[in-house]
Amino acid sequence: GNSVTQMEGPVTLSEEAFLTINCTYTATGYPSLFWYVQYPGEGLQLLLKATKADDKGSNKGFEATYRKETTSFHLEKGSVQVSDSAVYFCALRDMNSGGYQKVTFGIGTKLQVIP
Amino acid sequence: GAGVSQTPSNKVTEKGKYVELRCDPISGHTALYWYRQSLGQGPEFLIYFQGTGAADDSGLPNDRFFAVRPEGSVSTLKIQRTERGDSAVYLCASAPIDRPETQYFGPGTRLLVL
Repeated sequence: GNSVTQMEGPVTLSEEAFLTINCTYTATGYPSLFWYVQYPGEGLQLLLKATKADDKGSNKGFEATYRKETTSFHLEKGSVQVSDSAVYFCALRDMNSGGYQKVTFGIGTKLQVIP
Repeated sequence: GAGVSQTPSNKVTEKGKYVELRCDPISGHTALYWYRQSLGQGPEFLIYFQGTGAADDSGLPNDRFFAVRPEGSVSTLKIQRTERGDSAVYLCASAPIDRPETQYFGPGTRLLVL
């Protein structure tokens, strides 16, 4: 079955530090890949996505590249801010599974940015 | 415009009781999803509606769980004979028909079964 593995947190960084949150996946078909973010007290929001190999998703200074050869979709940001403190979820949507609209999430990585 | 809303925001019940959780999707969104998020875990898929019908209910854990969407808009997740293990945050998401991969999530209902 489909699965998403992401690094466990919490991750604590100083403001302006470089961020990497690792994510790898297992899927039977050709999935679309996503990063969602959940800010404190708010609902999940789509941060970025990539629908095919070598695509790069980007938003709010965050980037992730769909690497089919390594089945990875690592999230990066060059300079984090305190306002980036949140929980980040890696997810996939497999177009070829029987439940083709189903999204599989990772466990989430909590990021805390300190001033 | 208004986002996805869920009511109640918190629900405390006793083991064995029946509960209903409501989701109001974004107007015009034909796709609606229910997820369950346990503490320290990512959301776990429960059921997906396309319009009024359940296109995929493979994530419902057992027959105590049931969901409806009679008019293709509001959806209700129903849990019978609740158990302590049902305690979790129940999330609803909706998506437009032309961008099914872009799910908009509600704030969730936090269910606690005592």
